[in-house]
Amino acid sequence: QKEVEQNSGPLSVPEGAIASLNCTYSDRGSQSFFWYRQYSGKSPELIMFIYSNGDKEDGRFTAQLNKASQYVSLLIRDSQPSDSATYLCAVMTDSNYQLIWGAGTKLIIKP
Amino acid sequence: EPEVTQTPSHQVTQMGQEVILRCVPISNHLYFYWYRQILGQKVEFLVSFYNNEISEKSEIFDDQFSVERPDGSNFTLKIRSTKLEDSAMYFCASSEQNSNQPQHFGDGTRLSIL
Repeated sequence: QKEVEQNSGPLSVPEGAIASLNCTYSDRGSQSFFWYRQYSGKSPELIMFIYSNGDKEDGRFTAQLNKASQYVSLLIRDSQPSDSATYLCAVMTDSNYQLIWGAGTKLIIKP
Repeated sequence: EPEVTQTPSHQVTQMGQEVILRCVPISNHLYFYWYRQILGQKVEFLVSFYNNEISEKSEIFDDQFSVERPDGSNFTLKIRSTKLEDSAMYFCASSEQNSNQPQHFGDGTRLSIL
């Protein structure tokens, strides 16, 4: 059973600080990793994707991938109240093209 | 920016009835997907579709479900003989390529079975 695990939170971070969100996955054949943001009652919105080990930066967001340890993380710098949402980690393997989803981490940015 | 559009935004249906959920994927995308999310639970993959046929489907996607691309723009999910447990948000997504490209989601259809 392929699984993606995330701490459900809530993770509370002061405004302006760095929020760190983590995700682990069970299938070593996983090749593509995605972070989505989901506001309550809304659809998932793509934030970042990463395919190779290391860091990938896009504005205030940095995705980090470590395939040996089977984890992927998302850092949000200079956190804003509008970043408050549930962050979903999704993983795709090469054996099929289904996205396997974590349950999400609820992030709360406190002004 | 191009987007995936879904209609209706909310569908209320009596148990046992059939529903059709509609999606217009991004125009140059070739791969289409349906997901569902029961309230408070994980997003779950239902089916992927390419070149007018199903390429992958999950255990959830049983004979009750079907998908169709009736014309060059629409992609539909049909649920026959709906059950109470079919109540969920249904999301359509599309991607340029299947292999590892990001999937872009529509706003979803909230399906409520009474």
